[in-house]
Amino acid sequence: QMQLQESGPGLVKPSETLSLTCTVSGGSISSSSYYWGWIRQPPGKGLEWIGSIYYSGITYYNPSLKSRVTISVDTSKNQFSLKLSSVTAADTAIYYCARRFGDYWYFDLWGRGTLVTVSS
Amino acid sequence: QSALTQPASVSGSPGQSITISCTGTSSDVGSYDLVSWYQQHPGKAPKLMIYEDNKRPSGVSNRFSGSKSGNTASLTISGLQAEDEADYYCCSYAGSGSFRVLFGGGTKLTVL
Repeated sequence: QMQLQESGPGLVKPSETLSLTCTVSGGSISSSSYYWGWIRQPPGKGLEWIGSIYYSGITYYNPSLKSRVTISVDTSKNQFSLKLSSVTAADTAIYYCARRFGDYWYFDLWGRGTLVTVSS
Repeated sequence: QSALTQPASVSGSPGQSITISCTGTSSDVGSYDLVSWYQQHPGKAPKLMIYEDNKRPSGVSNRFSGSKSGNTASLTISGLQAEDEADYYCCSYAGSGSFRVLFGGGTKLTVL
């Protein structure tokens, strides 16, 4: 049974780059059936889609974050990663990695999430 | 592009039915059969409950159903149970030239 697990620093300083990795276990990230994505949730608030990536490297980003976001994939490690640059306190959130089923744009498997706080 | 519009809260008694609405536009909810719904309990990750407007994943109770009319999608929960108390989020594809994925602001369901 496939599982997703986020990892990375829980504290990032303002203006620096947030970096997170999602490790896929119990299956291959190179499956043609899935895309892999990041979604965040500020404390007490709603969900925001950050972006998605296919194992081939094709990416889709939220236009509101596109200038600061890079999502990449490492098929040899069965991982995909998120980098968000020039962070501010507004980027403080729980960051989830999730599996998206094909071109149907729904997220059928989620990681447990990791809280990232932006603070000096 | 604004998030999809959901009521902040709904409530119902055990055994009753409730409906949560999710209003978008003709560019997102109204254009694609790609609305999904997620249940989130406190401190937990969201869980997929409905996809492609009205389909239920394996393992999700048939008390949960989805529908859509025009630019508004709805999630109905029948036979309310205490365990249904959670936050619910709708989500819609918004097209390749736009935000692609929009979430609603979330609805807190309280089982009285």
